[in-house]
Amino acid sequence: GNSVTQMEGPVTLSEEAFLTINCTYTATGYPSLFWYVQYPGEGLQLLLKATKADDKGSNKGFEATYRKETTSFHLEKGSVQVSDSAVYFCALLTGGGNKLTFGTGTQLKVEL
Amino acid sequence: DAGVIQSPRHEVTEMGQEVTLRCKPISGHDYLFWYRQTMMRGLELLIYFNNNVPIDDSGMPEDRFSAKMPNASFSTLKIQPSEPRDSAVYFCASSFRAGQNQPQHFGDGTRLSIL
Repeated sequence: GNSVTQMEGPVTLSEEAFLTINCTYTATGYPSLFWYVQYPGEGLQLLLKATKADDKGSNKGFEATYRKETTSFHLEKGSVQVSDSAVYFCALLTGGGNKLTFGTGTQLKVEL
Repeated sequence: DAGVIQSPRHEVTEMGQEVTLRCKPISGHDYLFWYRQTMMRGLELLIYFNNNVPIDDSGMPEDRFSAKMPNASFSTLKIQPSEPRDSAVYFCASSFRAGQNQPQHFGDGTRLSIL
């Protein structure tokens, strides 16, 4: 079956630090990969996506590259801000399917 | 454009009572999803609909849970009778022609507490 594994949090960084949140997956076929972000008290929002190998998704300074050879989709940002504090979810969707498979989420705390 | 609208935002009730959660999807979206989020189990898909028809309810935990979508702009999730272990945040999401390039749009959730 499909599964997504994320690094456990919380991840605590100082403002302007470099961020990496690891995500690896197991899936049949060729999945699309997503990062969602959840701010306190809100629902999940799509942050970025990649639909095929070697694609790079990017948004708001965040990037993630679809690596088929390592089955990974790590989230990176060069300089985090306090406003990036949230929970980040990696997710996958396989072809023809309608059900997202989510990781457990990684909480990011950015301090001044 | 209005996003997915859920009501109520918060619900506190005593065990044994019936709970009804409501969702209005984004207009034009033909897929609707109900999720439950807890610290222990993370995000779980409970059920999803396509064109108002339930497609997969394998995530519904027990017969106490039921979901309906009487029309394209409204869905309910009911718990009867409620139990303390049902306490969680329940999210509704919708998408247009669910597939690899179509993101799901989430509401802000209903935080349910069963005493």
